[in-house]
Amino acid sequence: SQELEQSPQSLIVQEGKNLTINCTSSKTLYGLYWYKQKYGEGLIFLMMLQKGGEEKSHEKITAKLDEKKQQSSLHITASQPSHAGIYLCGADRKGAGGTSYGKLTFGQGTILTVHP
Amino acid sequence: EPEVTQTPSHQVTQMGQEVILRCVPISNHLYFYWYRQILGQKVEFLVSFYNNEISEKSEIFDDQFSVERPDGSNFTLKIRSTKLEDSAMYFCASRTVPTSYEQYFGPGTRLTVT
Repeated sequence: SQELEQSPQSLIVQEGKNLTINCTSSKTLYGLYWYKQKYGEGLIFLMMLQKGGEEKSHEKITAKLDEKKQQSSLHITASQPSHAGIYLCGADRKGAGGTSYGKLTFGQGTILTVHP
Repeated sequence: EPEVTQTPSHQVTQMGQEVILRCVPISNHLYFYWYRQILGQKVEFLVSFYNNEISEKSEIFDDQFSVERPDGSNFTLKIRSTKLEDSAMYFCASRTVPTSYEQYFGPGTRLTVT
C-alpha cells in the first residue's frame, strides 16, 4: 500500500506562475522533508517540518504541514526555469521506542517543468 | 558550506564481484544512512548507522550488504557479491541531533552491474 503519495505526478507551468505540490501520508508523521532532485543527481535538501501547522519558507518556496501531521504542501511563487526538477517528499516516522533514527520513506516524486 | 561527498561517482562491475561505495558525511553529524534509487523508481532506505552500529535496516539490506565507519570520516557500503538487480544510484546521507533533524544527501554513486 502507498504510505506516502504525491500529487500531481507531473506539472508543466509557464514561467511566473504559482504552483502547489501535495504530499499525503497514510500515517501520522514525526517529520516531513522536502527535497529537489535533478535527473540522475543527488537530493538537495529544501525544508523539514515537524510541528503540526508549521510553515517554512526559503526564497520563493513555502512548505506547510497540516495540524494532523499527515499532509504537506509545497508552494512555489512566481516559478522560474531554475525551479524545474523532481520534488520529493520524505516521511520520518517514530520508531517503536518513540524516537526516530531518521529513516525516510519517499513519495514517487513530482516532475516540474517550467517553460520560459 | 559543508556537504556529503561520495566516491566514485560511477562504478561498473561484473556480477558476483564485490564493490565498496564510499562516503564522507558532514563532519559534526552523528547519524549516517544509505539509500538507493533504481532507475525510474522511488528512493528506498537501506540502513541507518549510529554510535558505530546499525540502528535500523530495511528488508533490502540482506547479508550481501554491510556498512562500516573505518575511521572518523569515512562511511562505507559494501556489497559482497553483486547482482544485476543491485544496479542503482546509491545515496549516502547524514544528520545531526539534537539541534537539527535535517538530513543531507550526497551526490550519489551510480552502480552498474553487468
